[in-house]
Amino acid sequence: KQEVTQIPAALSVPEGENLVLNCSFTDSAIYNLQWFRQDPGKGLTSLLLIQSSQREQTSGRLNASLDKSSGRSTLYIAASQPGDSATYLCAVPSGGYQKVTFGTGTKLQVIP
Amino acid sequence: DGGITQSPKYLFRKEGQNVTLSCEQNLNHDAMYWYRQDPGQGLRLIYYSQIVNDFQKGDIAEGYSVSREKKESFPLTVTSAQKNPTAFYLCASSIGQGALQPQHFGDGTRLSIL
Repeated sequence: KQEVTQIPAALSVPEGENLVLNCSFTDSAIYNLQWFRQDPGKGLTSLLLIQSSQREQTSGRLNASLDKSSGRSTLYIAASQPGDSATYLCAVPSGGYQKVTFGTGTKLQVIP
Repeated sequence: DGGITQSPKYLFRKEGQNVTLSCEQNLNHDAMYWYRQDPGQGLRLIYYSQIVNDFQKGDIAEGYSVSREKKESFPLTVTSAQKNPTAFYLCASSIGQGALQPQHFGDGTRLSIL
């Protein structure tokens, strides 16, 4: 059974700092990995999707990497801003690719 | 604008009552999903549907029911058999079948017990 872990559960950084969020998964036979952002009381917004054949995917100040062999993905946020404050979740397909398993998320607070 | 609409935003349930959460999408997506989110537990899959008139149980389907009579609609009923229904419910959809495509989410419905 695929399990997805995100550590730390919460992170607080000063504005302008570069930071890395971690995602670990137990079954390395994944097809892709997706990073989401969730604002309080809202749904999830897709940030980046990395295919298993890719090692990196970039969008603006966000860069996601994938290392299937070690079962890890990282989300790098450059020059953090208060507007980046949210919970960040990663997710991978599971159950014969009919379902998606989510991590529990990292709650990020960027302090002005 | 294309997207997923969940309603209502807030819902209250009395003891012994069934309540239905609405999810409508105009993205022309084949697959739709219902998740439950509790604090500190991430998202857990309740039901999913890859095509009209077909749906499958997820990891925590007990006490819930769904229907998929139209491509754009996937309502979730929380029955009286669900003893702990207080949670944030999220509906999602993806193009094509399976979980290999990006999932798009609605803004959720928060259900509470009166």
